[in-house]
Amino acid sequence: DARVTQTPRHKVTEMGQEVTMRCQPILGHNTVFWYRQTMMQGLELLAYFRNRAPLDDSGMPKDRFSAEMPDATLATLKIQPSEPRDSAVYFCASGLVVSGVNEQFFGPGTRLTVL
Amino acid sequence: DAKTTQPPSMDCAEGRAANLPCNHSTISGNEYVYWYRQIHSQGPQYIIHGLKNNETNEMASLIITEDRKSSTLILPHATLRDTAVYYCIVRATFGNEKLTFGTGTRLTIIP
Repeated sequence: DARVTQTPRHKVTEMGQEVTMRCQPILGHNTVFWYRQTMMQGLELLAYFRNRAPLDDSGMPKDRFSAEMPDATLATLKIQPSEPRDSAVYFCASGLVVSGVNEQFFGPGTRLTVL
Repeated sequence: DAKTTQPPSMDCAEGRAANLPCNHSTISGNEYVYWYRQIHSQGPQYIIHGLKNNETNEMASLIITEDRKSSTLILPHATLRDTAVYYCIVRATFGNEKLTFGTGTRLTIIP
């Protein structure tokens, strides 16, 4: 049963620390997305990649967030330095974009708490 | 992407059909209607999508009005596990993979 995996599932850190979240997309999927969910803002798209190349990161605070895909099996989202307002659930999703139609498969999320 | 309007919450009795409406009066000709749901503490899950014809899969049916300004997601025999937030999303497909999630409808299935 293919699924998106995310690590860690929970992370508690102190303000100013670096946080790295990892995602393993479903094998064969060519598009990877990072979303953030908070009570106030709901689900927001931060960035996404196609064939490992960043296509859109307009939703991501550039000064402290960075997203990369070192290889086809790993996507990372880093926050440095972290702030309390970054506390949220971060979801990774992957999809196979064929003929323009895609279905996104979401991982279980990383719940981040910044103290 | 066109804006969607959904009721904030709905209840449905277990075993009955749950009908979730969505208004998308500004939808363009090349925009699809997608439905996702999010069960508590989980990531969103794709349900179904359509352009103008009605669609059915193992999870649900999607009914799109002829003028495409509104649609209804139908869960034919709701179970307690269908309790979730349901998101209706409209977006063009080609060259745009972004999903813009609104506030959705919180569906509660009542035993």
